[in-house]
Amino acid sequence: AQSVTQPDIHITVSEGASLELRCNYSYGATPYLFWYVQSPGQGLQLLLKYFSGDTLVQGIKGFEAEFKRSQSSFNLRKPSVHWSDAAEYFCAVAPQGGFQKLVFGTGTRLLVSP
Amino acid sequence: EPEVTQTPSHQVTQMGQEVILRCVPISNHLYFYWYRQILGQKVEFLVSFYNNEISEKSEIFDDQFSVERPDGSNFTLKIRSTKLEDSAMYFCASSQGNQPQHFGDGTRLSIL
Repeated sequence: AQSVTQPDIHITVSEGASLELRCNYSYGATPYLFWYVQSPGQGLQLLLKYFSGDTLVQGIKGFEAEFKRSQSSFNLRKPSVHWSDAAEYFCAVAPQGGFQKLVFGTGTRLLVSP
Repeated sequence: EPEVTQTPSHQVTQMGQEVILRCVPISNHLYFYWYRQILGQKVEFLVSFYNNEISEKSEIFDDQFSVERPDGSNFTLKIRSTKLEDSAMYFCASSQGNQPQHFGDGTRLSIL
């Protein structure tokens, strides 16, 4: 069965510092990969996606993620964190084809300190 | 940018009562989904819907749940007889198919 692991429940980063959120997946083939962000009381906003091709994908708000097939990972990065980035971040996978269920990780809550 | 809209934002219902959660997907999308998120837990898939029928459903989506697209714009989730454990945030999503799903802001369902 497909699964997604986000090993860090909470991460605290100083404003202006770099960020990396980890995501590992378990799936028989290369799935479609996504990062979503959820601010308190809000819905899920798509940050970026990987379908195929270039393994480094750029998203909104200055985020990027790198797909590493050998490590079954899709880590999210940002070079300089802003206070407004404080939120919950979810990694998700879907089988190739995309129009099927998303399987989400448990999320990582990002706290940004001044 | 087009959005998925969900109403109401918060629904409080007595245990055993029926509840209908409403969603208006993005207008040119063809695939519709419901997910739920119990407080403090991860987002879980409930059901997907395409061409007026259920494509896939999870084990959570039992006989107490149903979905409907009653007209060309709305997509609803009905819970027939609510239980305390149905308390959660329910998210509707829609997609063009081979494109990412877009989510609404959710309906917080509280069962008393």
